[in-house]
Parts: sequence; C-alpha cells; structure tokens
Amino acid sequence: DIQMTQSPSSVSASVGDRVTITCRASQGINSYLAWYQQKPGKAPYLLIYSASTLQSGVPSRFSGSVSGTEFTLTISSLQPEDFATYFCQQAKSFPLTFGGGTKVEI
Amino acid sequence: QVQLQESGPVLVKPSQTLSLICTVSGGSISSGADYWSWIRQHPGKGLEWIGFIYHSGSAYYKPSLKSRVSFSVDTSKNQFSLNLSSVTAADTAVYYCARGPQISSGNAFDFWGQGTTVTVSS
Repeated sequence: DIQMTQSPSSVSASVGDRVTITCRASQGINSYLAWYQQKPGKAPYLLIYSASTLQSGVPSRFSGSVSGTEFTLTISSLQPEDFATYFCQQAKSFPLTFGGGTKVEI
Repeated sequence: QVQLQESGPVLVKPSQTLSLICTVSGGSISSGADYWSWIRQHPGKGLEWIGFIYHSGSAYYKPSLKSRVSFSVDTSKNQFSLNLSSVTAADTAVYYCARGPQISSGNAFDFWGQGTTVTVSS
C-alpha cells in the first residue's frame, strides 16, 4: 500500500494567516492526489483533486501544488470557517489511502 | 446534486455481521462513469477506504478486509450495501458511503453521505 504522511499533525493559526500543509507519498503517484476538509461530526468535503485542481465551489484561497512526491495544500488567508481537519488521499493505485490528517486550530 | 444516505444498525455484537445500506438520490447509481465506495473512520482517527462497487456488481475490496467484506448493489432502489462479517471492537467506526473513485475528479470522492456510527459491543 502507498503510505501518505501528512505534516504537521496540527497547526495553530489566526484568521488571515497563510497556512501550509504537506503530504508525502511513499512512492510516486504523479499528480493523483486529493485534499479534503472535515469539520467535527461532518463528512469530508473534497477541496482539490489532481494535486492542484479546485473542486467546483471551493474558494480560491485554497490551492494545491506538487514537487516530486511532496504535495502541499495552502490556505492563503485563513477564514473562521477554515478551522477544520484536512486530509490528503492518493488516487494513483489501489488500495486508495489517506494521510493521517492535519488539524488547523486557533 | 448527488446525495447519499447511510442506514443500518448502530450497534452490532462481536462476531456478527455489520450491514449497511447507502441510498443514492439526485442521480442514478447505474451511471456508467460512477463507482461507489465505502470508507470508514475509527474514533479520532484517519480515513480508511474499504473498497468500491460498480453498478454491474463488480467490486474491489481492500486486501486486508477482503476475507470479511462484501458489497452488493440494487439498481432498482438506487442503493448499494456493505456487509462486514465477524466484527470485533476494532470495527467500531463511522462508516461513510461516497461516490468515487470518480474518474472526472482524478479518482477522488466527490460526494459523501453524512456517515453513520457503528459500535461493536455485546
């Protein structure tokens, strides 16, 4: 199975801050990576797929990039509704696997 | 807008079979391009993909769960189902159904059910 390692596991930030979350794959996955946002008691919500393509309706302050096997989710200016947990998911090979999550908190 | 809703028992006894149904609305489960998955999340943990089923009935199961998992699909009801046998406390989790891996979304999961908490306990 492809292992997805996210860092940090949690980050403290304030409204307006730029936040960066990293996900590293244990082997090459090209750009087959998705990012999800999950709020307490809710299902994950797809933000970005194919490493950098914004899902329809997702604010442009969210962006994704890739360098080799390292993927980055950036929130350019953190908003109150962005405090949540973020997960990456590799979509290259079965079984599909997720990162351990990054909690963005105040 | 596709919507998914899980249903089934919230409490299952050890060694028994966990059975859940996912009802899809706002779209046909028989759409040629769509796959339908089960994903679970252990309390306070990350996400684990269990596998997917296609409307034809063909399925993929995560190898570590393959011996205990089976999926089925009922196109007439626009539903698909999960059966997980010989459950233990380690199967206690929130179970989600989702659309995906969605080819048009880079094999991501673009629509999710709200999730249902299943507890394995005697």
